[in-house]
Amino acid sequence: DIQMTQSPSSLSASVGDRVTITCRASQGISNYLAWFQQKPGKAPKSLIYAASSLQSGVPSRFSGSGSGTDFTLTINKLQPEDFATYYCQQHNSYPLTFGGGTRVEIK
Amino acid sequence: EVQLVESGGGLVQPGGSLRLSCAASGFRLSDHYMDWVRQAPGKGLEWVGRTRNKRYNYTTEYAASVRGRFTVSRDDSKSSVYLQMNSLKTEDTAVYHCARLLYSSGYYVDYWGRGTLVTVSS
Repeated sequence: DIQMTQSPSSLSASVGDRVTITCRASQGISNYLAWFQQKPGKAPKSLIYAASSLQSGVPSRFSGSGSGTDFTLTINKLQPEDFATYYCQQHNSYPLTFGGGTRVEIK
Repeated sequence: EVQLVESGGGLVQPGGSLRLSCAASGFRLSDHYMDWVRQAPGKGLEWVGRTRNKRYNYTTEYAASVRGRFTVSRDDSKSSVYLQMNSLKTEDTAVYHCARLLYSSGYYVDYWGRGTLVTVSS
């Protein structure tokens, strides 16, 4: 199975900050990487697919990059509604696997 | 508007069975692959299984942790996807979400349901 390692597991940031979350795959996955946002008690929300493509309706302050084993989710000018937990997921091979999550908290 | 609504969760004893349903609306289910993803209390997301669409003969894939116990099926005429769960274990306790996949150089989730809670306990 492909292991997905996210870092950090949590971070504190202020509104207006730039936040970067990384996701590392235990083997190459090309660009078969998605990012999701989840707020407590809510369904996950799809943010990015194919490592860098924004899902429809997602604000442009979210961006993704990377290929192979190393990927990044960046949130520019953090907004109050962005405080949540973020997960990466690889779609390269079965079983599909998620990272452990990164909780973004208010500083 | 795309909507996915799960139902069928509840309390079940270890070794028991439960069937979850996911009612899809706002799109043609037959065009899409569908996934089930679960989240144990206070834990992260775990992929459970997948059903491909008619074009790919409704074939399925499963996580090792549920293979042989869980079955994903669908009825496109009823716009519904199902998760039959047998031989349930306490570690199957989780919120179960269904999710729609879209193809764009690979299959990616674009919509999620809110989930239904399954509690396995004696």
